[in-house]
Amino acid sequence: EAGVVQSPRYKIIEKKQPVAFWCNPISGHNTLYWYRQNLGQGPELLIRYENEEAVDDSQLPKDRFSAERLKGVDSTLKIQPAELGDSAVYLCASSSGTGDKDEQFFGPGTRLTVL
Amino acid sequence: KQEVTQIPAALSVPEGENLVLNCSFTDSAIYNLQWFRQDPGKGLTSLLLIQSSQREQTSGRLNASLDKSSGRSTLYIAASQPGDSATYLCAVGVRGSRLTFGEGTQLTVNP
Repeated sequence: EAGVVQSPRYKIIEKKQPVAFWCNPISGHNTLYWYRQNLGQGPELLIRYENEEAVDDSQLPKDRFSAERLKGVDSTLKIQPAELGDSAVYLCASSSGTGDKDEQFFGPGTRLTVL
Repeated sequence: KQEVTQIPAALSVPEGENLVLNCSFTDSAIYNLQWFRQDPGKGLTSLLLIQSSQREQTSGRLNASLDKSSGRSTLYIAASQPGDSATYLCAVGVRGSRLTFGEGTQLTVNP
């Protein structure tokens, strides 16, 4: 069974440029998450989707970050414009969303460097 | 606000040693607790999930315990190997499937 797929794996951009990350979750997983991981820290949730609906986006900086999951499968996270402080690893995860058995599975991440 | 702390931040042991990684959390109203492994430059690999009604879970040389009342979990690794070298992350699941992570324990197992 294929795991969570993310692309690109690495991205280097100049500040103020836009950038987008793509994620394809494990087949059949209705719940999709985007996390940001700064160096030496644990991941922090940015947004959670249940199918097409964003049900928890309280941690998403909405002035510059946006996300979509149009058909309830793959998802795109966008930053426009990027700032130096956005340099981090962006992780996508998915789960089947079954209460306390809800195990999250992570993709390899996209390492973003903003110059 | 849930806070998760992992001690120690780093650990170096000789091959073959049994070891324990610690995780503590401030709010005992949790749904589950997951332990992950992260290799340098990689994503997170799920190791074990303990549901809130469970006390422990085992997978191979790994055993994780959960004590909700005291806000603690431990990950026990038996007979450590150099391939176990990685950062181990503890994450607490709360209502709404939100995971709150600790900062991790960086483990080095020396041959």
